[in-house]
Order: sequence, then C-alpha cells, then structure tokens
Amino acid sequence: GAVVSQHPSWVICKSGTSVKIECRSLDFQATTMFWYRQFPKQSLMLMATSNEGSKATYEQGVEKDKFLINHASLTLSTLTVTSAHPEDSSFYICSARDPGGAPDTEAFFGQGTRLTVV
Amino acid sequence: AQSVTQLGSHVSVSEGALVLLRCNYSSSVPPYLFWYVQYPNQGLQLLLKYTSAATLVKGINGFEAEFKKSETSFHLTKPSAHMSDAAEYFCAVRETGGYNKLIFGAGTRLAVHP
Repeated sequence: GAVVSQHPSWVICKSGTSVKIECRSLDFQATTMFWYRQFPKQSLMLMATSNEGSKATYEQGVEKDKFLINHASLTLSTLTVTSAHPEDSSFYICSARDPGGAPDTEAFFGQGTRLTVV
Repeated sequence: AQSVTQLGSHVSVSEGALVLLRCNYSSSVPPYLFWYVQYPNQGLQLLLKYTSAATLVKGINGFEAEFKKSETSFHLTKPSAHMSDAAEYFCAVRETGGYNKLIFGAGTRLAVHP
C-alpha cells in the first residue's frame, strides 16, 4: 500500500538553531500533505496543510515564520522549525492521501519525528 | 462543523477480555470515519474505516467497528484483548470539502494487563 516516509525519526538540536524535517510520499503523488504536532499523551494537532507549488495553509495560532513549510514537489514536503527553543520540543507527524484515490481513501502517516531542543 | 468525541481517555482490560473503545461523531453529511492506532514514538496506522458500504467494518488485528447512525457512534471492539494491543487509539472523521483533512478525537489509551 501507499507509504509515507518521514525523516529523521529523531533529532536533538541546540536552542537557536533550525531543524528540517522531510516527508515523502513513496508511491503516489501528494498534492496536499498535512503536518501535525503531538504533545505527550495528547491527540494530534494539525499545524498546517502543505500544498504543492503554493503557500501552506496554517491553522490558527501556528506561527508561519516559526514553522516554515515547503512543498516543492509532488512527493516531498518539508517542515523547518526555525530558531528552535525548548518549548518546540515535540513529536511531529506528517500525513498524505493519494488525491487520485477513491473518496474513502485513507490518509497515510509518516513515522513521526521526535524533536528535542536543548 | 464535523467532530468526533472519544469517551474515556484511558481504558484498562485484562488479557482475553472484550475491548470497547467509544467514538461518537458529529456530521451533517454522511461521514467518512476512521480508527487509527499509535504505538509509542511511531506514526499512526489505519485499523479500519467506514465508507458507507457496510455498517459493520472489520479491520486488522481482529478489530471491528459498527457504524450506528441513530446513535452517531462508531465504537471500536475486539472480542479478546492481547498484550500487544496496548497502544493509543484515535477516532477520526474526514472533513468534507476543502482539503479533506482529518479531524481527530482526543484519543484513548488502552492498557492490557495479564
């Protein structure tokens, strides 16, 4: 079945640096990808919708200058956490759905990225 | 607006006992509903989905869910719990229109004890 690959699975960075997380759809072209943030023992919070070839759509309260999203190709979206601070430490997950599939086609999720800012 | 509510943030069962995880939805149109499972430090894996083809949906790992329109429910069940079922479970509804994004419930942590 369709697979979404996310890299890296974990990263530790120093406060003030930037970190890039990649999300790839491996066997379908994803015009739209979604980025989520998950705090410990909580549900997934949608951060933004990544659109190929255009600007991302951010959810209310998400800083677009802090979380830069680039969707330069139909199989790759990146999330860059800029000037990271310890409060940005979290689990980030991407997902994508084959737009050419039937209406009931499910979304596939990446493995997630555990970001720790020290 | 569409939404899902998961009743019970924690459920604990004995190995071999029935598993019942509750999910109620709110939608003005026939919904697309999903159950996902998440193991620690991993992404989400689809357990099953409701697409109006059948009200009783069978998924992976012995799980199934029944869509009940009159109760606006889509509860997840498994006849006999295994230790390996311990995980976080999320019910989700697909938003209609726009980007068709998923709207998640708060999640239910299932613990299975010997």
